Amino acid sequence: DTEVTQTPKHLVMGMTNKKSLKCEQHMGHRAMYWYKQKAKKPPELMFVYSYEKLSINESVPSRFSPECPNSSLLNLHLHALQPEDSALYLCASSQIAGNPKFRVWGNEQFFGPGTRLTVL
Amino acid sequence: RKEVEQDPGPFNVPEGATVAFNCTYSNSASQSFFWYRQDCRKEPKLLMSVYSSGNEDGRFTAQLNRASQYISLLIRDSKLSDSATYLCVVRTHTGGFKTIFGAGTRLFVKA
Repeated sequence: DTEVTQTPKHLVMGMTNKKSLKCEQHMGHRAMYWYKQKAKKPPELMFVYSYEKLSINESVPSRFSPECPNSSLLNLHLHALQPEDSALYLCASSQIAGNPKFRVWGNEQFFGPGTRLTVL
Repeated sequence: RKEVEQDPGPFNVPEGATVAFNCTYSNSASQSFFWYRQDCRKEPKLLMSVYSSGNEDGRFTAQLNRASQYISLLIRDSKLSDSATYLCVVRTHTGGFKTIFGAGTRLFVKA
């Protein structure tokens, strides 16, 4: 069962609000990802967690704060967002992330349905 | 030059047609290649991985040409349900880890 779930499906928040996006997978994957996708654009990688440790931060502003409480869960905490942060936020997972140092190549990523975020 | 480039289309084809998409990548150190499809307002779904020897899954055939740094996707006997955006994904593993999506190619299959 290749399923990644995300909650909520839709979120509307003000610029002073604090909210969190949640992602869960039970496929035993050890790599999890957050992407941001604007309309008519491809997904852009934000964060990668590998074995519950943050391994990649693609220069994302600190108003986005990821958290990986365990191997099945990934959160994205939001605070003081801007209207231009409105987008579809996609979570993905894969068996492993890959490690170029050891020539271990990551594999296919499976995406959740996303959270459509609107910042007013 | 973008790291991963795709013809944005749209490709408008009749049912039953054969359609081919190409995707070029700039980093010769790229190691893993995938095709995803994305329906409007939905998440990307993995269509197929692309292997050096090429691979086929039903009506879909993917090819990798490392020398010319491109991958291709061939769809035979197009169905209405094939209408979607097809995203080329390249993973580069040198000097760090990067997953790069192409901008996607829109396909419309018409009756």
